Amino acid sequence: GESVGLHLPTLSVQEGDNSIINCAYSNSASDYFIWYKQESGKGPQFIIDIRSNMDKRQGQRVTVLLNKTVKHLSLQIAATQPGDSAVYFCAESALYGGATNKLIFGTGTLLAVQP
Amino acid sequence: DAGVTQSPTHLIKTRGQQVTLRCSPKSGHDTVSWYQQALGQGPQFIFQYYEEEERQRGNFPDRFSGHQFPNYSSELNVNALLLGDSALYLCASSLGWAGNTEAFFGQGTRLTVV
Repeated sequence: GESVGLHLPTLSVQEGDNSIINCAYSNSASDYFIWYKQESGKGPQFIIDIRSNMDKRQGQRVTVLLNKTVKHLSLQIAATQPGDSAVYFCAESALYGGATNKLIFGTGTLLAVQP
Repeated sequence: DAGVTQSPTHLIKTRGQQVTLRCSPKSGHDTVSWYQQALGQGPQFIFQYYEEEERQRGNFPDRFSGHQFPNYSSELNVNALLLGDSALYLCASSLGWAGNTEAFFGQGTRLTVV
């Protein structure tokens, strides 16, 4: 069935280093991908998205890369800060029966930034 | 600009009871989706409402039902609560259901069933 999974459940990095969080998806029909950040006790916060007609998209300190050939998604965070510590989810979306914004989430990666 | 708001923030119910959770979408959004997030897991899609109709449903039993009002706000109802229904319930709003658009999440309602 459909699934979105993460390779690394926990990632520990030093403050100032770059972080890379990976995600694999299984539905080749997915055409929209989003990264969310979730802090303890809060709802998911949108970070960045990318559509299937793109390979790379950059935001402020974040970059998302999409490799449709191997169905792989990654989130790169530059100069990681303590405030980046959170659980990161990738989510995929595909058009079902015409249209929907249904999101399929992976289980998440915990990013721990060491000072 | 108010984001997505959910109420209540926390709730404790007894097994077998019924619960209603509420969501107000982000200003300008007309589509509301509900997700269940168990501890340590990613959110799971419950259903989505647009124009006061349920447009798509995830793999959840009929005990889970919802409603959308003319002002786009929404309710999630769960009947005959089970211990396994304990989770964080998230509401997400977006603009339109035709095509993939950015979804904004609320803070969630933490439901504990005892």
